[in-house]
Amino acid sequence: DAEITQSPRHKITETGRQVTLACHQTWNHNNMFWYRQDLGHGLRLIHYSYGVQDTNKGEVSDGYSVSRSNTEDLPLTLESAASSQTSVYFCASSDRGSGEAFFGQGTRLTVV
Amino acid sequence: GENVEQHPSTLSVQEGDSAVIKCTYSDSASNYFPWYKQELGKGPQLIIDIRSNVGEKKDQRIAVTLNKTAKHFSLHITETQPEDSAVYFCAASSPRSSYKLIFGSGTRLLVRP
Repeated sequence: DAEITQSPRHKITETGRQVTLACHQTWNHNNMFWYRQDLGHGLRLIHYSYGVQDTNKGEVSDGYSVSRSNTEDLPLTLESAASSQTSVYFCASSDRGSGEAFFGQGTRLTVV
Repeated sequence: GENVEQHPSTLSVQEGDSAVIKCTYSDSASNYFPWYKQELGKGPQLIIDIRSNVGEKKDQRIAVTLNKTAKHFSLHITETQPEDSAVYFCAASSPRSSYKLIFGSGTRLLVRP
């Protein structure tokens, strides 16, 4: 069955370190998204991509970057982790036509 | 850009009662409105969606209604069961914002046995 997987599921890192969260989907979807989830804020869009070599900033993109070198993967990098980036991160993918998005299980990141 | 507001933030109902969650959106060009259910420790899961060319859609105990004029849409859950307890998110998508899903802030539903 097609799926979307995130790794790691949990990560603790120190302030100032670079961190990369992985997202891999086997749906063959063109669209991929990264969201962060914080209490009281719902799901906020960080970055998104509509295809290979395409990346776009979302509403809370400062301090994050993504790259899309193939259809299956959209890694999210925190260039210099900050305590404000402690959150649960979700990756999602969708087909270009339907709009229906499928989510991964999430990565809980703690920056200490 | 699109903005989605969701109410209430928490909702407690007795098992067997109905639950209604409401969302409003700002972009009149939005044309896709999904609802997601998120259980503890899991990612959001699509439970029902509606497109702007219909006013209502049902799937067993859940239904979604859309009022394009007022720019609001609602999730209705009938005959609630304890396993319906979760956080529910509405979202909207517009061609003007490249079909990104913009989410409401979520509703925590508790169904009391």
